[in-house]
Amino acid sequence: QKEVEQNSGPLSVPEGAIASLNCTYSDRGSQSFFWYRQYSGKSPELIMFIYSNGDKEDGRFTAQLNKASQYVSLLIRDSQPSDSATYLCAAGGAGGTSYGKLTFGQGTILTVHP
Amino acid sequence: NAGVTQTPKFRILKIGQSMTLQCTQDMNHNYMYWYRQDPGMGLKLIYYSVGAGITDKGEVPNGYNVSRSTTEDFPLRLELAAPSQTSVYFCASIDGGAGEETQYFGPGTRLLVL
Repeated sequence: QKEVEQNSGPLSVPEGAIASLNCTYSDRGSQSFFWYRQYSGKSPELIMFIYSNGDKEDGRFTAQLNKASQYVSLLIRDSQPSDSATYLCAAGGAGGTSYGKLTFGQGTILTVHP
Repeated sequence: NAGVTQTPKFRILKIGQSMTLQCTQDMNHNYMYWYRQDPGMGLKLIYYSVGAGITDKGEVPNGYNVSRSTTEDFPLRLELAAPSQTSVYFCASIDGGAGEETQYFGPGTRLLVL
C-alpha cells in the first residue's frame, strides 16, 4: 500500500525564521510531489509541486526532492503568521496510468508566532 | 469561472439515511475525484472518474457510490449512513492532459452522522 508520512507536529517557529517541513513516501513509482496548504475549515490549496530531484524555488517557498531517499521537503523562508496552517504532502504516480490520483500524508501543523 | 462547487456545505444525517453530495466543475476538466478527510488526517481517495461514464474505486470506496453522466457533474451517494462516514468530503478536478498541478479542490461538505 502506498504511504506518505509526515511529522504531524505541531511545528512552531518565530516570525521571520525558516520553517522546514518533511515528508517520506513508500512507492518508488511515485513521480510527482505536491505541497498543499490548508487553513482550518478550508480546502487544500496547492503551493508547490516538484517532479525532478533537487530544489525548486517559488518566492519564499523551496521544495526539495531526493528520489533515492524517497524524501520531499518544503522550506518556508521569512515565515509569517499568515503561514500558520496545516501543510499536506502528496505523491502522484507515473504519467497517464495514475490518472492524477494522489496519496496524501496526514499533514503537519505549522504555527508561526510573532 | 466558479471552479469546483459542492453542495451542501454541512449536513447532519441519522444512521441508515441516504444522501447525495453534489459536485460540479466549470473548467471542462476530464478527471474528477472524491476525497474524505477525517479530523487531523490527510485526504483519502474514495472514487475517481476519468471522463463521463467512466468511474473507478479509490482507497476507501466501501459505503459509497458515484456516477458521471456529464463532464461537469460527479455526485457521491451514501446509501446507508454510518457514524464512520462522519468526515469532510472534498471534490476535486484535474485537466488530465495538463497534469496534477492543475488540481482544484471544492470548498468541502462537512457531514455528521448520528
